[in-house]
Amino acid sequence: AQTVTQSQPEMSVQEAETVTLSCTYDTSESDYYLFWYKQPPSRQMILVIRQEAYKQQNATENRFSVNFQKAAKSFSLKISDSQLGDAAMYFCAYRSGMNRDDKIIFGKGTRLHILP
Amino acid sequence: GAGVSQSPSNKVTEKGKDVELRCDPISGHTALYWYRQSLGQGLEFLIYFQGNSAPDKSGLPSDRFSAERTGGSVSTLTIQRTQQEDSAVYLCASSHIRNYEQYFGPGTRLTVT
Repeated sequence: AQTVTQSQPEMSVQEAETVTLSCTYDTSESDYYLFWYKQPPSRQMILVIRQEAYKQQNATENRFSVNFQKAAKSFSLKISDSQLGDAAMYFCAYRSGMNRDDKIIFGKGTRLHILP
Repeated sequence: GAGVSQSPSNKVTEKGKDVELRCDPISGHTALYWYRQSLGQGLEFLIYFQGNSAPDKSGLPSDRFSAERTGGSVSTLTIQRTQQEDSAVYLCASSHIRNYEQYFGPGTRLTVT
């Protein structure tokens, strides 16, 4: 069974600084997708960034980028120029590529605090 | 267009009562998912619908939990004889057959007293 592990329950970063959130996963599949979701206090899950396992290039979305290390099964999220609005729970997630309709498996999350 | 909607936003119920939680997916999305988020935990998969059928019910924690989907659209998650450990946020998501991205609703916070 696939698992997703986030080893940092909480992190803090100074506004305008850079922070990296860690995530590791375990799978025997070769085709899969990885995601980072943001959940602010409103509870709305927002997709921040996604990575297809078959792509070697790391995904980037504005200030958000990932470091995808497939052999090490590591998928970290880097937030550059942190802003107050980035404060939220961040969930790393995995989805099998075998079936388009498969469920997403989530890590337990990292709560990110932005210090003004 | 409209996103995934869920109702009620919050529900407080007494232990032993039944509750129904509703999810209205994005129009045209054939797949619908229910997840549960307990305090301090990640999201736990409950059940998945493709159209009106549920190919994967593996996450339902007990036979007190059931879900249905009618007309390939709205879904209802029912919890019978609620227990305090059922207190959580219940999130619904939907996706289109053509891509893998799931869009989440705002969730229902259930509190069992």
